Amino acid sequence: QVQLVQSGSELKKPGASVKVSCKASGYTFTSYAMNWVRQAPGQGLEWMGWINTNTGNPTYAQGFTGRFVFSLDTSVSTAYLQISSLKAEDTAVYYCARGIVPPLVDYWGQGTLVTVSS
Amino acid sequence: QLVLTQSPSASASLGASVKLTCTLSSGHSSYAIAWHQQQPEKGPRYLMKLNSDGSHSKGDGIPDRFSGSSSGAERYLTISSLQSEDEADYYCQTWGTGIGVFGGGTKLTVL
Repeated sequence: QVQLVQSGSELKKPGASVKVSCKASGYTFTSYAMNWVRQAPGQGLEWMGWINTNTGNPTYAQGFTGRFVFSLDTSVSTAYLQISSLKAEDTAVYYCARGIVPPLVDYWGQGTLVTVSS
Repeated sequence: QLVLTQSPSASASLGASVKLTCTLSSGHSSYAIAWHQQQPEKGPRYLMKLNSDGSHSKGDGIPDRFSGSSSGAERYLTISSLQSEDEADYYCQTWGTGIGVFGGGTKLTVL
């Protein structure tokens, strides 16, 4: 069965960086895009963008350019989200999600809570 | 601009049916959407992809109680025989030219 298993919660100080991993199993990793979605505390879902798992080409939503980087290691079927220069407002749960039409998601990871606090 | 509009809240009684609405912005009435469910303190779960003609394809293990329909720019999620575990946030999602959009979500309370 399709599974997306994300890395554990992170507590970071402002200005630091964080890298969240998302390991896929149960399907051919390069046959589907990988999306990233953010959910701030008490808020709704916010689409961050997606990465083409064949070419490694990322597409970022408005508001997620510059400090946010999507990457892959196809040898271990894993996608990564790196956020640099962390700010308090980056505190959120970050989800990876498989894309069938690239931005349309059909399987979700369990989420990774990133807390930014001094 | 591609926007999805959802009512913030809805409620219905245990065992009853409820119909949630997601409205596509002007000029986008032919777009397909997806519905996702997020139970309290859990991650989202994909429910179905819903086309403009009302045809839909559900995710793995989604009960028959969940169905979708369409009318113009409106996309609907109907849940019949409501159960307590259906109390959740429901999000619609669409996409255009490689960009994804979520609606603001509807919080469903089962009375």
